[in-house]
Amino acid sequence: GQQLNQSPQSMFIQEGEDVSMNCTSSSIFNTWLWYKQDPGEGPVLLIALYKAGELTSNGRLTAQFGITRKDSFLKISASIPSDVGIYFCAGLGAQKLVFGQGTRLTINP
Amino acid sequence: DAMVIQNPRYQVTQFGKPVTLSCSQTLNHNVMYWYQQKSSQAPKLLFHYYDKDFNNEADTPDNFQSRRPNTSFCFLDIRSPGLGDAAMYLCATSSSPRPQHFGDGTRLSIL
Repeated sequence: GQQLNQSPQSMFIQEGEDVSMNCTSSSIFNTWLWYKQDPGEGPVLLIALYKAGELTSNGRLTAQFGITRKDSFLKISASIPSDVGIYFCAGLGAQKLVFGQGTRLTINP
Repeated sequence: DAMVIQNPRYQVTQFGKPVTLSCSQTLNHNVMYWYQQKSSQAPKLLFHYYDKDFNNEADTPDNFQSRRPNTSFCFLDIRSPGLGDAAMYLCATSSSPRPQHFGDGTRLSIL
């Protein structure tokens, strides 16, 4: 089925570093979402993007919706240990979410 | 406060023994979803209710069924669980077309 291409699949960084992850799609989405999932829990919505070119921040998180509505990136600034987890991008279309494969973030203290 | 509540958090059942997972919401959202998530994979949509209208994904096995008796509650029934059905099951809700909000899931184990 349809899927977003998310990269990288995993990242290993030092505490305090900035990190970025990307998603691309062959289809246009009107809404693009970024979720974080901790082990044993459900995904939590971090940022929602609604307008092409939109740049939105939520604390140390920044996300942008591509002009073509086919891509997005998420940046985490000054990473801390609680940022560890799996980050999913998702496109929202026709009431359904199309997910990326996820980026697993590991932080070395 | 939890807004999408899944019970139980952990469920163990025997091979072939029917099991029901439950989801409730305090958000009054009109759409409720059930996902299956296996280790290191993205959630996979099984079906969703838009109000009372049931929408099944084409590749959802017949073994999986759902009920939504009212706005607040939705159930996932697995009629004859097989070993391959061991997974995390996630419920989500939305006030369409807004983003979905997920519960913390039920981890299902099959003996």
